[in-house]
Amino acid sequence: DAGVTQSPTHLIKTRGQQVTLRCSPISGHKSVSWYQQVLGQGPQFIFQYYEKEERGRGNFPDRFSARQFPNYSSELNVNALLLGDSALYLCASSFRTGEPFEQYFGPGTRLTVT
Amino acid sequence: GDSVTQMEGPVTLSEEAFLTINCTYTATGYPSLFWYVQYPGEGLQLLLKATKADDKGSNKGFEATYRKETTSFHLEKGSVQVSDSAVYFCVLRDGQGGKLIFGQGTELSVKP
Repeated sequence: DAGVTQSPTHLIKTRGQQVTLRCSPISGHKSVSWYQQVLGQGPQFIFQYYEKEERGRGNFPDRFSARQFPNYSSELNVNALLLGDSALYLCASSFRTGEPFEQYFGPGTRLTVT
Repeated sequence: GDSVTQMEGPVTLSEEAFLTINCTYTATGYPSLFWYVQYPGEGLQLLLKATKADDKGSNKGFEATYRKETTSFHLEKGSVQVSDSAVYFCVLRDGQGGKLIFGQGTELSVKP
């Protein structure tokens, strides 16, 4: 079975631009979460969606937004990119939120802002 | 808010050495605790978990015990291998929404 997939793998953007990252969960999983992993640090929670509704939001500015589609895939959008947005963006899927449902991580999208 | 603090790295060991990576947490309620591992060039993988006090999680020779009295979840392995070289994250799951809170990660390098 396919795991969590993310696209693109890498991308380079310029400050001020906008970016959209995509995530396809494991088949049958209805919850998707997004995390930002800055080099040398642990991932930081950005958003959680379940059944197309936002279930949680981390401490990120309004430049970050996300949505979940009827097929449970998800997009993360970041507007007005800053150099500090350079990071690995991870998507995780689970059947539902909370216990006992494990989150499975995708390989991530490496975003570089120049 | 909830947080996780883990032992700073990098940690360098010889093959067959004993491994301990310390992890302590701060949380309200009764969180679940995890260790995730990130091998070079690969995605995050769940290594083990414990959902309540005194539970012991184990996998691939690694163990960790959920100690509520010391708010700790230290990772141990009796004999490490070169293939264990990776970054290890201690993680807490928020009791309500299920979001994961990660420690800063500990890089382990095992030399032959």
